Amino acid sequence: AQSVTQLDSQVPVFEEAPVELRCNYSSSVSVYLFWYVQYPNQGLQLLLKYLSGSTLVKGINGFEAEFNKSQTSFHLRKPSVHISDTAEYFCAASSGGSYIPTFGRGTSLIVHP
Amino acid sequence: DTGVSQDPRHKITKRGQNVTFRCDPISEHNRLYWYRQTLGQGPEFLTYFQNEAQLEKSRLLSDRFSAERPKGSFSTLEIQRTEQGDSAMYLCASKEREGKNEQFFGPGTRLTVL
Repeated sequence: AQSVTQLDSQVPVFEEAPVELRCNYSSSVSVYLFWYVQYPNQGLQLLLKYLSGSTLVKGINGFEAEFNKSQTSFHLRKPSVHISDTAEYFCAASSGGSYIPTFGRGTSLIVHP
Repeated sequence: DTGVSQDPRHKITKRGQNVTFRCDPISEHNRLYWYRQTLGQGPEFLTYFQNEAQLEKSRLLSDRFSAERPKGSFSTLEIQRTEQGDSAMYLCASKEREGKNEQFFGPGTRLTVL
């Protein structure tokens, strides 16, 4: 079974600064990787996904992530954050046809003015 | 609104009572998933359906938890004899058939057991 580790529980950053949220997964063949964002009292919204192909994945709201197979990582980045990016971010991984993702514990991104 | 909907959004109950939550998936999605999310944690998978068939239920937390999707459309999650440890957000998600790996999540039902 997959396991997902989000190394930072909280990441504070100033507005317009770059940010990286880290995610590592357990090694697996044919792994699918996802980043979701969750605003307070809401469900999860998909930011981006890696299924195959290019290792650099671009998502919504200016986010991107890079799949690194050798380091089993899928870190999320944004070159310049906004106050509105303040939210909880979850990395998830799945493998196999049933598509049952395993989620990390989440990283709280706090953007200060 | 054609997204995933859940009802109720909030539920407060006393320990020992039964509760039932409803999820309406996106209409053309045939797979439906239930998750539990406790404070400070990511969603934890509980069970899922393909149409009306429940394909995985071994991860339901105890025999007090059960789920149905009788007509392959909406689904219900029931918790019997609730305990304080059941307090959490219960999320529902749906997806299209194979080849489409994105799950669409509903807003969740927040359960508080007093």
